[in-house]
Amino acid sequence: LAKTTQPISMDSYEGQEVNITCSHNNIATNDYITWYQQFPSQGPRFIIQGYKTKVTNEVASLFIPADRKSSTLSLPRVSLSDTAVYYCLVGDLSGSARQLTFGSGTQLTVLP
Amino acid sequence: EPEVTQTPSHQVTQMGQEVILRCVPISNHLYFYWYRQILGQKVEFLVSFYNNEISEKSEIFDDQFSVERPDGSNFTLKIRSTKLEDSAMYFCASSAGIGEQFFGPGTRLTVL
Repeated sequence: LAKTTQPISMDSYEGQEVNITCSHNNIATNDYITWYQQFPSQGPRFIIQGYKTKVTNEVASLFIPADRKSSTLSLPRVSLSDTAVYYCLVGDLSGSARQLTFGSGTQLTVLP
Repeated sequence: EPEVTQTPSHQVTQMGQEVILRCVPISNHLYFYWYRQILGQKVEFLVSFYNNEISEKSEIFDDQFSVERPDGSNFTLKIRSTKLEDSAMYFCASSAGIGEQFFGPGTRLTVL
């Protein structure tokens, strides 16, 4: 499994764009990059997934450079309710084993 | 929107007792998982289940743990003889296949 490195914490203000970068230098060819969000005392919630270039959905964008050794989760115009832990996960989804391996994540705190 | 449900939300038990944590996955999903999160620590994979058998399990999932899908809707995690260190949030998740796993709200297990 590819090891991921992301900042322990980040602070932002309401209305700002937040970019959280994750490093995964030993990502394998079959690996996808997935981001989850977790609020206190709740289960993780899927945000976005990608393999290369850019993926966008209604809540976030995911930027993946050509070498795929890092990825950036972009949250546009954050609000107080976006305060949560954000996890970057890297893994092969093609096999029967689909366990998710969570790291320590990035605690994002959105300030008023 | 369909969701994974878990019962009970909080379970308190004495050390050495058996507990059964229950989950109702999303109805058309085929893959089921249990994860746990000790307070202040990472989310850890326990086991995945597909086609009525365990697909993969972690080192945490020892002989004290078992999973079962007793009927077409429930997915259970049994801990035969609880230990103090089993105290954690236990999350059930399900997925249709490759990609997003949907997590339940969790059961907080407290072993006294």
